[in-house]
Amino acid sequence: GEDVEQSLFLSVREGDSSVINCTYTDSSSTYLYWYKQEPGAGLQLLTYIFSNMDMKQDQRLTVLLNKKDKHLSLRIADTQTGDSAIYFCAEREDSSYKLIFGSGTRLLVRP
Amino acid sequence: DSGVTQTPKHLITATGQRVTLRCSPRSGDLSVYWYQQSLDQGLQFLIQYYNGEERAKGNILERFSAQQFPDLHSELNLSSLELGDSALYFCASSAGSDTQYFGPGTRLTVL
Repeated sequence: GEDVEQSLFLSVREGDSSVINCTYTDSSSTYLYWYKQEPGAGLQLLTYIFSNMDMKQDQRLTVLLNKKDKHLSLRIADTQTGDSAIYFCAEREDSSYKLIFGSGTRLLVRP
Repeated sequence: DSGVTQTPKHLITATGQRVTLRCSPRSGDLSVYWYQQSLDQGLQFLIQYYNGEERAKGNILERFSAQQFPDLHSELNLSSLELGDSALYFCASSAGSDTQYFGPGTRLTVL
């Protein structure tokens, strides 16, 4: 069945780059997403990538996709304390359009 | 602000009761999705509606039901509530099959 896995926790120093990794199982997924959740808040769409792309850059965010290994990563450049949150990777199941989420990676940015 | 609204923000009720959660999608979006976020299960897809019709069903309990009205708002009905139903319930909307934008969620506490 479908499964999306992420590491649970990442701690970085302010100003450093953060890299959050994700693996997925459904090779037919056309879209892969990154969402951010701050404490007590909803899910904010950060970025997405089509499965026929290797990389997508959007300001401080870079998404890398290795389709062969079913590996997705999100790099945040110049990480700020305001980036502290839980980051969710999700794949879209093409038959139903439902999103299958990972368990989330909690990013802590130390000043 | 994603443009998706959910009411109420918080709901506290007792076991055995019934509640209704409401969602208004972004202007122009025809698809509405419901997700449940709990500590033990993570983010799970419940159900999707498209222009008033049920499109896909996920891990939704028989005690739960949903509908989408002609004005495209949606309601999620939860009945015979149990302690384990305590969770954050999110609604998301999309124009069709593309990117889902999430509302702020309704936090349900069952005592």
